Amino acid sequence: GAGVSQTPSNKVTEKGKYVELRCDPISGHTALYWYRQSLGQGPEFLIYFQGTGAADDSGLPNDRFFAVRPEGSVSTLKIQRTERGDSAVYLCASSSHGINTDTQYFGPGTRLTVL
Amino acid sequence: KNQVEQSPQSLIILEGKNCTLQCNYTVSPFSNLRWYKQDTGRGPVSLTIMTFSENTKSNGRYTATLDADTKQSSLHITASQLSDSASYICVVSGGTGTASKLTFGTGTRLQVTL
Repeated sequence: GAGVSQTPSNKVTEKGKYVELRCDPISGHTALYWYRQSLGQGPEFLIYFQGTGAADDSGLPNDRFFAVRPEGSVSTLKIQRTERGDSAVYLCASSSHGINTDTQYFGPGTRLTVL
Repeated sequence: KNQVEQSPQSLIILEGKNCTLQCNYTVSPFSNLRWYKQDTGRGPVSLTIMTFSENTKSNGRYTATLDADTKQSSLHITASQLSDSASYICVVSGGTGTASKLTFGTGTRLQVTL
């Protein structure tokens, strides 16, 4: 596609529920990143994929968070037993190779609200 | 702890005026520094990226500078336009190899008015 897309754009859920957030990276980009952005803050790194594998998941806050990228393209961020503190905008980005001088192209984000 | 601090937190300027945004970082080892523009409700968009050996880089009316010795960067916006109203985020990449080790500043919120 022309850019990184994310669905849904908004998600409202109740505390304790399970949610899935989807990211479609730019076609051909091997690297994919998930970030979380709270109001008034900069994005916070969660996880980075190189191809199908998670090259760095050190930013995942706890074991309720999990992400997959089974075919090296689309990725899904999964959050179990959601808590109110999970409310944030979840941003996805992709880059062509994943080397540290690559430009990361961001999607519009999914705004998650946990009631 | 790796940190990126930006100032001012927010800024209001008149259309046509220039402004400069500041970024100080403590990320080590340093790989590169990026400036992103983030419109409200949108994902960040890359403006510039500078490695250790680069002192300045321009992208249209945006000029970024980097002093790796003092660990400071600035983003200068010339002849501001209403469309420049956004948050400007300084991002520092540390370490080698993967691009995952990005440390983001909290951003400077710029508002350009008539």
